[in-house]
Amino acid sequence: EVQLVESGGDLVQPGGSLRLSCAASGFTFSSYWMSWVRQAPGKWPEWLANIKQDGSEQYYIDSVKGRFTISRDNAKNSLFLQMNSLSAADTAVYYCARTGAYNLATSDYYTFDVWGQGTTVTVS
Amino acid sequence: DIQMTQSPSSLSASVGDRVTITCRASQAIRTYLNWYQQKPGKAPKLLIYAASSLQSGVPSRFSGSGSATDFTLTINSLQPEDSATYYCQQSYTKWSFGQGTKVEIK
Repeated sequence: EVQLVESGGDLVQPGGSLRLSCAASGFTFSSYWMSWVRQAPGKWPEWLANIKQDGSEQYYIDSVKGRFTISRDNAKNSLFLQMNSLSAADTAVYYCARTGAYNLATSDYYTFDVWGQGTTVTVS
Repeated sequence: DIQMTQSPSSLSASVGDRVTITCRASQAIRTYLNWYQQKPGKAPKLLIYAASSLQSGVPSRFSGSGSATDFTLTINSLQPEDSATYYCQQSYTKWSFGQGTKVEIK
């Protein structure tokens, strides 16, 4: 069964740091881009960051650039998100998502095709 | 950044009805548009990718259409289990989601 399981969410004070983890199973982890997506209470999802299969490229939304770092360990089928300088605005459920590429007519279409159950980060 | 605007924000329909949700992008995104379904307390689930391709395992009553800036998700013959919030998401650049459409069953 394809599965993603996040961990590491917690209650943290403003200005603090937290490291989230995501354990992948049931698919070849090293073959996929991976992403972190968060969803604040009552809001829509927000893509935060993604990382290439070999870890050589990372991309971030502007609001977390310089504060958050995405990384991966393909030997351990794991994805990470290091979060620093946290504020109340970072309070959300954080999801790990497999970023699948679907090739149609010579173009690659990227989706979040597998999601974890989420881990809750509260900054207060 | 590309803004995604969905309408309506909520709707109520009866079992068997045809439901249409629209999504508009602030700039042309070709067909780099995905649709997700989210139920309370759960992660979003991919329904449609590349504007009109049905994800494996998703019932055929779900369909998508559109290109450039205007897109539509249609649910034919609404079922009780379709009660959820639906989000569009562009994957053209710096991926972003719409604000969601909550579908309720009358």
